[in-house]
Amino acid sequence: DAKTTQPNSMESNEEEPVHLPCNHSTISGTDYIHWYRQLPSQGPEYVIHGLTSNVNNRMASLAIAEDRKSSTLILHRATLRDAAVYYCILRVSYGGATNKLIFGTGTLLAVQP
Amino acid sequence: ETGVTQSPTHLIKTRGQQVTLRCSSQSGHNTVSWYQQALGQGPQFIFQYYREEENGRGNFPPRFSGLQFPNYSSELNVNALELDDSALYLCASSGERTGNTEAFFGQGTRLTVV
Repeated sequence: DAKTTQPNSMESNEEEPVHLPCNHSTISGTDYIHWYRQLPSQGPEYVIHGLTSNVNNRMASLAIAEDRKSSTLILHRATLRDAAVYYCILRVSYGGATNKLIFGTGTLLAVQP
Repeated sequence: ETGVTQSPTHLIKTRGQQVTLRCSSQSGHNTVSWYQQALGQGPQFIFQYYREEENGRGNFPPRFSGLQFPNYSSELNVNALELDDSALYLCASSGERTGNTEAFFGQGTRLTVV
């Protein structure tokens, strides 16, 4: 299974941008890069995903390296509600039979007021 | 709120017992996956159901089994409970079996085995 590597923790100040890095050197050509976050005592929440091009949505931006071996989740203005564990995940497909999410340990983001 | 609901929210069982956890998927979603999340760890894939059939399985023993019903809701059954089965069990639904869709998670069932 393709794996991702993330820093264990990061800290940010409120209303400042946050760049969360992820390495996925064993990514295959058909793997999508997904980001989810998990607040305490809740299930994971989808944030964003992409394949090759950078992506933007109302929650965040995803910057994907040209060789696809790394990506960065960008929160443009961190708020206290963004404090969570952020997971970078490769959504794999095996012959179309299954597309499980393989979670690592994620990055614990702390946001200071 | 995602529309994926799980029941019960909390459960305490004794070692050796059996447990059934339930999940109602988001409307229109035909794919349901189950994950186990131990304290301080990321979720681990148990298995996936697509249109009532098991469609992929993680590294979990056969005493973990499941069902998906015609309305795409799903059950996770665990037999012969062990202490290490204590965890948060998460259900996720998605509309397609491709990497190009997001998965929607429920709030989870917290299982404690004593």
